[in-house]
Amino acid sequence: AAGVIQSPRHLIKEKRETATLKCYPIPRHDTVYWYQQGPGQDPQFLISFYEKMQSDKGSIPDRFSAQQFSDYHSELNMSSLELGDSALYFCASSLGATGTYEQYFGPGTRLTVT
Amino acid sequence: QKEVEQNSGPLSVPEGAIASLNCTYSDRGSQSFFWYRQYSGKSPELIMSIYSNGDKEDGRFTAQLNKASQYVSLLIRDSQPSDSATYLCAVKIWEYGNKLVFGAGTILRVKS
Repeated sequence: AAGVIQSPRHLIKEKRETATLKCYPIPRHDTVYWYQQGPGQDPQFLISFYEKMQSDKGSIPDRFSAQQFSDYHSELNMSSLELGDSALYFCASSLGATGTYEQYFGPGTRLTVT
Repeated sequence: QKEVEQNSGPLSVPEGAIASLNCTYSDRGSQSFFWYRQYSGKSPELIMSIYSNGDKEDGRFTAQLNKASQYVSLLIRDSQPSDSATYLCAVKIWEYGNKLVFGAGTILRVKS
């Protein structure tokens, strides 16, 4: 079965640079979620989109923005990167309004800020 | 206090034994409950979801939910070394929308 696709899988950036993470949800899933997981921590919710509209917002810094496109893929844009942004970034997708809200995670993007 | 609490472990069990993982949550508005397995450096993998009181079985896994006690558990029968991972309890809370609130996870080690 098709899974969530994330790219790139690894990304190395310097402080103050920008980064763009991409997420392609499971086909027919209409809701996308972004989570950040630091070393030894549980995933922290950043933001979600349902039918291309922002649905929930969590602890996402103002330096970050995200959107969902007409083909349901989503991008997380991160600017003015800081050392503390180094983490695993996961995208998850679910079938929202008519589904069970089970979220399936992609393989993640490991972001390293130097 | 975290909204979702788990014993960090590690929980060590011998191969073939039953592993019991526990999770408590503080918000009575919680409506959906999920168990994820996460290997080091990998993404969380959905194992079980449970929405109503009682037990739900899927293969070697059984999830148990008691909303009155605000308690959800995961039993793994016939534990295998490949079950060694961090198990994350996640809760969907109605007032918070569709996001998942995770516990800190329990490290499970299955000794062969």
